[in-house]
Amino acid sequence: SAVISQKPSRDICQRGTSLTIQCQVDSQVTMMFWYRQQPGQSLTLIATANQGSEATYESGFVIDKFPISRPNLTFSTLTVSNMSPEDSSIYLCSVDSAQTNYGYTFGSGTRLTVV
Amino acid sequence: DAKTTQPPSMDCAEGRAANLPCNHSTISGNEYVYWYRQIHSQGPQYIIHGLKNNETNEMASLIITEDRKSSTLILPHATLRDTAVYYCIVSIRDTGRRALTFGSGTRLQVQP
Repeated sequence: SAVISQKPSRDICQRGTSLTIQCQVDSQVTMMFWYRQQPGQSLTLIATANQGSEATYESGFVIDKFPISRPNLTFSTLTVSNMSPEDSSIYLCSVDSAQTNYGYTFGSGTRLTVV
Repeated sequence: DAKTTQPPSMDCAEGRAANLPCNHSTISGNEYVYWYRQIHSQGPQYIIHGLKNNETNEMASLIITEDRKSSTLILPHATLRDTAVYYCIVSIRDTGRRALTFGSGTRLQVQP
């Protein structure tokens, strides 16, 4: 199955600033998915990133707040912009490891704390 | 995707089988049942999936009822390391173009 390297693993940021999270996959994948997991909650899909086109955002998430880049088939970034304490969450990327067991692979997550 | 219903929490004694139920009464014919788990502070981990037939791998067994409206994940000999949140997800197979939708899951606590 695919292996994902997600960076940074954690960060503490000042409100009003921005943080860019990177996901690198060891194989080419069609779609990359970005999730948010608020404290004590389940995972919520933020957006789907397709190489060469603008990301597709879920209801409640907008590009100005969570801009996404997908420059090639193995890499994507998610930026959390103009952060507030409510953005404190774990952010995860995911891809479909369709080549093997049909399971989706997830990065280890970025634990963001906004102060 | 079909909605799933899972108990919020369960306990299991170490060494015993853990049976985690999931209801998906609105599942459609082309939707698979996936199980993932999330150990504290880590990304979700794939466990197993199935369409109609029961499935078994090195981690677990998946039992799907004949009408496909419910399923059970079985961890045959639970260990303390199996303490995690277990998610039952129903989704069509769309060759990597479709994200998984997570419900609230079942928090399994394996007791020594």
